[in-house]
Amino acid sequence: AQTVTQSQPEMSVQEAETVTLSCTYDTSESDYYLFWYKQPPSRQMILVIRQEAYKQQNATENRFSVNFQKAAKSFSLKISDSQLGDAAMYFCAYKGYGGATNKLIFGTGTLLAVQP
Amino acid sequence: DTGVTQSPTHLIKTRGQQVTLRCSPISGHKSVSWYQQVLGQGPQFIFQYYEKEERGRGNFPDRFSARQFPNYSSELNVNALLLGDSALYLCASSFSGQGGDTIYFGEGSWLTVV
Repeated sequence: AQTVTQSQPEMSVQEAETVTLSCTYDTSESDYYLFWYKQPPSRQMILVIRQEAYKQQNATENRFSVNFQKAAKSFSLKISDSQLGDAAMYFCAYKGYGGATNKLIFGTGTLLAVQP
Repeated sequence: DTGVTQSPTHLIKTRGQQVTLRCSPISGHKSVSWYQQVLGQGPQFIFQYYEKEERGRGNFPDRFSARQFPNYSSELNVNALLLGDSALYLCASSFSGQGGDTIYFGEGSWLTVV
């Protein structure tokens, strides 16, 4: 069974600085998808960035980028120029490539605080 | 476009009661999934439906059931409520329910069991 591990329960960053959130996963599949979701106090899950495992290039979305290390099964999120609005719970998630479902497997989350 | 909508947003039930949560997917999306998020944890997959057929089921007891209607909206039912069922219930929709679909979440229904 696939698992997702986030070893940092809480992180803190100064406004305008850079922070990296860690995620590791375990799977025997060769093709899959990885995601970072943001959950602010409103509790709605917001997709931040996605990575297809078959793509070697790391995904980037504005100030958000990932470091995808397939062999190490590592998928970290880097937030550059942190803003107060980035404060939220961040979840790493895995989804298999094939099969009949699009079930997401989530980690336990990292609570990010942004200090002014 | 309207996003994923869920109702009710908050509700309080007594142990042993039954609850029905509702979800309307994004227009054009045919797949709906349900997740349970207990405080301090990541969401856990409960069900996925596509074209009114169950596509997947997570490790939840038979007290949990769901269905999808012809307009692709969905209901999640939980019978014989336990205190441990208190959680945020998230609905998610996607176009086909497979492969590289992007999954969009609603704001959730907060269930408190007392």
